[in-house]
Amino acid sequence: DADVTQTPRNRITKTGKRIMLECSQTKGHDRMYWYRQDPGLGLRLIYYSFDVKDINKGEISDGYSVSRQAQAKFSLSLESAIPNQTALYFCATSGSPGQWADTQYFGPGTRLTVL
Amino acid sequence: AQTVTQSQPEMSVQEAETVTLSCTYDTSENNYYLFWYKQPPSRQMILVIRQEAYKQQNATENRFSVNFQKAAKSFSLKISDSQLGDTAMYFCAFCKGTDKLIFGTGTRLQVFP
Repeated sequence: DADVTQTPRNRITKTGKRIMLECSQTKGHDRMYWYRQDPGLGLRLIYYSFDVKDINKGEISDGYSVSRQAQAKFSLSLESAIPNQTALYFCATSGSPGQWADTQYFGPGTRLTVL
Repeated sequence: AQTVTQSQPEMSVQEAETVTLSCTYDTSENNYYLFWYKQPPSRQMILVIRQEAYKQQNATENRFSVNFQKAAKSFSLKISDSQLGDTAMYFCAFCKGTDKLIFGTGTRLQVFP
């Protein structure tokens, strides 16, 4: 089974709709991240969480919100989706004790299309 | 603010040959980490190799190795004995400790038979 899972894998929605992307991990990591990938721009950080009570904005948080329901779950919400939020969204985790705590491991991504 | 630059949007290499992907970065930090991630057509982001800035020795991982030049702020990836399965987008990324990753814009590598 995958260590970092994302649901849904693909989603098409309409402008103005609320949508939630979910991320779960079995790696036991404390830190979780949401990134967005647009063609030609690489990945950019939306939000990150270092533990259940710690939520931080990334460089492109406008229009998004997050919820850290448990150590293993981190959800990203688009309260009112707009077409320029069409992108590939990745969840990542890090924080193994000891070695490689700095290394982030990614989920499979969610392709979101806003019409 | 840290930045990561990949100046080669596309590269191609013949199977079994060697190719080098370039990456430069800008930071005032002394302790940090650098990564190369691979994104094949399946779109999964896969860790290729990791380098700790305080280590002078270049990281290697099977056919993948890096040339880390801290003073020049350069972090290139060398792929030896290229295989068709190496065809992918390759992203260079910078991380300051357990902080967020800063990504470059990627290099698309095509391996030809």
